[in-house]
Amino acid sequence: GEDVEQSLFLSVREGDSSVINCTYTDSSSTYLYWYKQEPGAGLQLLTYIFSNMDMKQDQRLTVLLNKKDKHLSLRIADTQTGDSAIYFCAESQTGANNLFFGTGTRLTVIP
Amino acid sequence: GAVVSQHPSRVICKSGTSVKIECRSLDFQATTMFWYRQFPKQSLMLMATSNEGSKATYEQGVEKDKFLINHASLTLSTLTVTSAHPEDSSFYICSARKPGQGSTEAFFGQGTRLTVV
Repeated sequence: GEDVEQSLFLSVREGDSSVINCTYTDSSSTYLYWYKQEPGAGLQLLTYIFSNMDMKQDQRLTVLLNKKDKHLSLRIADTQTGDSAIYFCAESQTGANNLFFGTGTRLTVIP
Repeated sequence: GAVVSQHPSRVICKSGTSVKIECRSLDFQATTMFWYRQFPKQSLMLMATSNEGSKATYEQGVEKDKFLINHASLTLSTLTVTSAHPEDSSFYICSARKPGQGSTEAFFGQGTRLTVV
């Protein structure tokens, strides 16, 4: 079955860049997503990338995809305290239907 | 974007009782909604796919008689946890996909934290 893995914790200082990594096993993944979850809240879609893309940038967020290595990363530039949250990567073959989530990375931003 | 509203956000119930959680798409019609469960410090696991006007599709290992799903309209899906037990305590999140060709974005509700005492 599909397996999506992330490191559990990341701490960065305010103003630095954060890089959250994700690996997946399903070579037929078509869509790869990054979601943000704040304490006690649902999921907020941050960005997504199609498997035929290598990079996508959206303001402070940069997504890099290495399809050969099945490695996805999310870079947050100029990290702010409001970025502290859990970040989930997710993959899907069929778009927004059946999403398989990683374990989530808890990002802590130190003032 | 689109808005998916989940209600209630928190519920505490006694063991043996049933709890209903609602998931509404507020500004679009959703023929399909999804129910996820999140255990503490763990990822989200898809429980079932809710289809308007037909039976839900449950993932392996999810008891359909315990987690009743009803998708009675294009904007509402409900999850009822029947005869709840403490091990059912969890964070339940629904999502819906906007219909239309090329739609790749799922919108999530705020989640419901269920505590069974």
